[in-house]
Amino acid sequence: KNEVEQSPQNLTAQEGEFITINCSYSVGISALHWLQQHPGGGIVSLFMLSSGKKKHGRLIATINIQEKHSSLHITASHPRDSAVYICAAKYGNKLVFGAGTILRVKS
Amino acid sequence: NAGVTQTPKFQVLKTGQSMTLQCAQDMNHEYMSWYRQDPGMGLRLIHYSVGAGITDQGEVPNGYNVSRSTTEDFPLRLLSAAPSQTSVYFCASTTGGSYNEQFFGPGTRLTVL
Repeated sequence: KNEVEQSPQNLTAQEGEFITINCSYSVGISALHWLQQHPGGGIVSLFMLSSGKKKHGRLIATINIQEKHSSLHITASHPRDSAVYICAAKYGNKLVFGAGTILRVKS
Repeated sequence: NAGVTQTPKFQVLKTGQSMTLQCAQDMNHEYMSWYRQDPGMGLRLIHYSVGAGITDQGEVPNGYNVSRSTTEDFPLRLLSAAPSQTSVYFCASTTGGSYNEQFFGPGTRLTVL
């Protein structure tokens, strides 16, 4: 069964802290997505990657194919980063989602 | 572009009622999918379509039907609603392939009494 595991489930940080969210998956994926779900419920795509590293503003996503592991990093966290962060692995035509990490950044 | 739109935003049904959740996209995307999101669980794939006239089952298809008569529209039908179908439903689209951005609709919150 294709599974995606995320950790931690919940994360509380102080403003300015460096944050890491982890995602592990089974073999055979063609891509790994990171998504953000806002408190209002909307879901937006942050990154898609199949190798290496991508950066957008204060967000960095990395993937290690050999270890079947991806991380999402947030530098200089801010209360507006508070959201649910979701990783999803692409197996063939289908996405399999992790349960999400609830991030709260306190000022 | 409106992106991916879903209607209604909220719906309450009684057990046994049927209804259709609407999803439309104006980006000419080939690939569309329906997910449900339940507390403590990841989004789960219900049905998906790789193009007009082509649909396939996902992880949790029972109790749901779909059709794809046009590229733009991908409705999800609940045949006989059950309390277990209480959930938030998301429609998504992408141009297909492995590396393309997923676009999600705003979601429909469904309660079945």
